[in-house]
Amino acid sequence: GAGVSQSPRYKVAKRGQDVALRCDPISGHVSLFWYQQALGQGPEFLTYFQNEAQLDKSGLPSDRFFAERPEGSVSTLKIQRTQQEDSAVYLCASSSGTANTGELFFGEGSRLTVL
Amino acid sequence: GENVEQHPSTLSVQEGDSAVIKCTYSDSASNYFPWYKQELGKRPQLIIDIRSNVGEKKDQRIAVTLNKTAKHFSLHITETQPEDSAVYFCAASIGNQFYFGTGTSLTVIP
Repeated sequence: GAGVSQSPRYKVAKRGQDVALRCDPISGHVSLFWYQQALGQGPEFLTYFQNEAQLDKSGLPSDRFFAERPEGSVSTLKIQRTQQEDSAVYLCASSSGTANTGELFFGEGSRLTVL
Repeated sequence: GENVEQHPSTLSVQEGDSAVIKCTYSDSASNYFPWYKQELGKRPQLIIDIRSNVGEKKDQRIAVTLNKTAKHFSLHITETQPEDSAVYFCAASIGNQFYFGTGTSLTVIP
């Protein structure tokens, strides 16, 4: 596809369930970011991949959050034992450059609601 | 870490008037400042950006100014149109980190 694709667009989970959110970046993009966006707030950094290497995971809020990008393209953000405070939109972004040398292209996000 | 503050949180202007959104940042090492527009339920999209070696950049009705000494940067939209209505986010970047402001909801009244 032409842009960053995320699935599912909407996910409702019961507290305690595990969820997996998928990101298909723009083909060939080296950098991939995950952000968490709470209602009425700006995106907050979760983690960054350069190809398959997770170079920065300092924004992951707890050890229940895990991200991977095993082949340097598709990435999955997994949240274990979901809590209500995990409810947010999870945005994926990719960039052709490394660091901040290229434009960030965002996906439309996965809206997670934890009941 | 970097702290980005954005003002105002909401802004209403008459069609044709100008809109100005301001951001401040705390880390003088930040060297890249993009602005994103996010329409309701849509993805954020880059509208303009500026690097720290430039003081001003303009693209048609949109301009961004950067004052490195004061650590603030601003978005200026002239001749606003209803389709400019959206939430605008500023960001400051160091390396692979992008720190976003809390957003400004702009409403252009026809």
